[in-house]
Amino acid sequence: GQSLEQPSEVTAVEGAIVQINCTYQTSGFYGLSWYQQHDGGAPTFLSYNALDGLEETGRFSSFLSRSDSYGYLLLQELQMKDSASYFCAVKNQAGTALIFGKGTTLSVSS
Amino acid sequence: NAGVTQTPKFQVLKTGQSMTLQCAQDMNHEYMSWYRQDPGMGLRLIHYSVGAGITDQGEVPNGYNVSRSTTEDFPLRLLSAAPSQTSVYFCASSYSTVTMNTEAFFGQGTRLTVV
Repeated sequence: GQSLEQPSEVTAVEGAIVQINCTYQTSGFYGLSWYQQHDGGAPTFLSYNALDGLEETGRFSSFLSRSDSYGYLLLQELQMKDSASYFCAVKNQAGTALIFGKGTTLSVSS
Repeated sequence: NAGVTQTPKFQVLKTGQSMTLQCAQDMNHEYMSWYRQDPGMGLRLIHYSVGAGITDQGEVPNGYNVSRSTTEDFPLRLLSAAPSQTSVYFCASSYSTVTMNTEAFFGQGTRLTVV
């Protein structure tokens, strides 16, 4: 089956850079996704990597190494509003639903 | 465009009661899923569907039933609620592609308490 590991908590200050790592074990791999969830809200899509390398979207970047079964989400120029939970996810073996990691809670302080 | 709509937003049940959590999407997505979210456990897949008439079990299916009679609707049924089913439930939908990116769109969640 699919399993993902990510740190439970990360703290940082405004303006800093933080990296959230994710390692995965899968039967069949279709790509690694990242989702953001604010307290009391619904998860929202951030990024997706199917191939090795770095994908950049504004202040957020995501990296994938398929050979290492590893990826990370990089958040730059942190803002208070970035305080949220971040989840990495892979598709199930059939590629028809997402399996999520347990999430990393990011706390940004001033 | 409403996206994914879940009802109710909050519910309190007594142990042994049954209820149905509703989920509807208006994006013509084939793929739909149900997740439960508990503190420190992330989002765990309960059941999913790849189209009308087709459903399958996820990671934690016990105690839950689903059906998919239309593309738009994917209700989740609790047959006999237990305190262990106290959780926040999210419904999600996405386009049907296995190998390409399929951004999942989530409803706002149903917060269920079983007493």
